[in-house]
Amino acid sequence: DSGVTQTPKHLITATGQRVTLRCSPRSGDLSVYWYQQSLDQGLQFLIQYYNGEERAKGNILERFSAQQFPDLHSELNLSSLELGDSALYFCASSEQGGGPQETQYFGPGTRLLVL
Amino acid sequence: AQKITQTQPGMFVQEKEAVTLDCTYDTSDQSYGLFWYKQPSSGEMIFLIYQGSYDEQNATEGRYSLNFQKARKSANLVISASQLGDSAMYFCAMREGMMNTDKLIFGTGTRLQVFP
Repeated sequence: DSGVTQTPKHLITATGQRVTLRCSPRSGDLSVYWYQQSLDQGLQFLIQYYNGEERAKGNILERFSAQQFPDLHSELNLSSLELGDSALYFCASSEQGGGPQETQYFGPGTRLLVL
Repeated sequence: AQKITQTQPGMFVQEKEAVTLDCTYDTSDQSYGLFWYKQPSSGEMIFLIYQGSYDEQNATEGRYSLNFQKARKSANLVISASQLGDSAMYFCAMREGMMNTDKLIFGTGTRLQVFP
C-alpha cells in the first residue's frame, strides 16, 4: 500500500458525460501528479499540482481539468467524454515535487470505461 | 529529446533464477533520476528502485538491483531469485532535474512471466 488513495476504482459512463476522479496523496506529500495509461499511448503525464498550484502540464486535453484543494487532495475532471478516453488514470504523490531524486508513489488507479 | 526505451516486450524466467530487464534512456541533462515500477495484473504501480545520475554505486533493494551504466545510458533491472509473484509488467522511468518539470517519462514496459 503506497498510501495514495484514489476513488472510484472503476467507472463506467457514456460518451458525452462528465466524471470526476479523486485522489488523496500520502500524508505530508505536497505534490500530486495525474497520469493516463492507455493501450495505444502507454503511460503519459497529464498534470502536476504542488501545494494547491498548478506546476506542470503534459498531454492533457482541453476537456480535462484538475485542481488541488487546501487539504491537498486532488480531483481530475474529464468532460465531453469520448471512447478514446477509456484508460487507467493514476494519481501519484511526492514530498516536494522538486528534484530528480524524489520518488513518486502511485495510487491504485481509476479504471474508466466510456461506452 | 528525453526518452526511455525498453526493447523486451516479454521475458520468461524460471523460478529461483535471475533475470535482467533492459532499459536505455536518452537525456541531455546531467542531473536525472531513474526509476523502476512494477505493475501486477491488478493494475497498481509499485515503486521498486531508484538510481540517481550522480550515484557512484548501483542501487539495490532486496532482490532488486539496478545495473547502471552511465556512459551507455542504460539502467537495467536485475531481479534475483525470481518468484512466481514477480510475474508482472515492469516499467522503467526517468525524471529530469533541470527542466523545471517533475514528470516521469515511462518506457513501454516489459512483461515478465515467472514459471515453476
